Amino acid sequence: EDQVTQSPEALRLQEGESSSLNCSYTVSGLRGLFWYRQDPGKGPEFLFTLYSAGEEKEKERLKATLTKKESFLHITAPKPEDSATYLCAVQEARASGGSYIPTFGRGTSLIVHP
Amino acid sequence: KAGVTQTPRYLIKTRGQQVTLSCSPISGHRSVSWYQQTPGQGLQFLFEYFSETQRNKGNFPGRFSGRQFSNSRSEMNVSTLELGDSALYLCASSYGGRPGELFFGEGSRLTVL
Repeated sequence: EDQVTQSPEALRLQEGESSSLNCSYTVSGLRGLFWYRQDPGKGPEFLFTLYSAGEEKEKERLKATLTKKESFLHITAPKPEDSATYLCAVQEARASGGSYIPTFGRGTSLIVHP
Repeated sequence: KAGVTQTPRYLIKTRGQQVTLSCSPISGHRSVSWYQQTPGQGLQFLFEYFSETQRNKGNFPGRFSGRQFSNSRSEMNVSTLELGDSALYLCASSYGGRPGELFFGEGSRLTVL
């Protein structure tokens, strides 16, 4: 069973049409939840870290929120340049080998049409 | 500040060969992690190095190995390549105090024929 599940797998929006991406997780204790953006042919780019339920982070048209079981990435009035795959990663509170390795979801592919 | 640099960016190998990939982390970052990314499996953790020591290893066969040098640069090696090893191999570095905030390179795209 996947620890991190992202939905939808793919999302097509018109420019200006706001929407949300979901990341649900099943780890027993959360140390941190991370959002990344990945453009085709490139490595993921770090966006946000969320640590506790109720926390919110914003960057331009993106806002990430966190509850005890899931996180949402809200995209307000998206533009074509927001098209990318958005990845969520979860870090358990239990360390392994002295470090905390994040587990990634499979991502949501977002396409914003002009 | 220079980002994470990976070389080579693209390479084509045949089954049975071996390959070495290189990663230079962001200056000051002592942790280097390697991930394999494929369309079917997403991002899968390979291993993590810190101060030249492997701290964690993912669920990959022993054909996959790595090391880290005293300047934090890292290499990973895949021996006896299989078709299923075709993937984007990503290196990420992080600052010790924020282990989950990874800074990725652009990756090495490996194609095994």
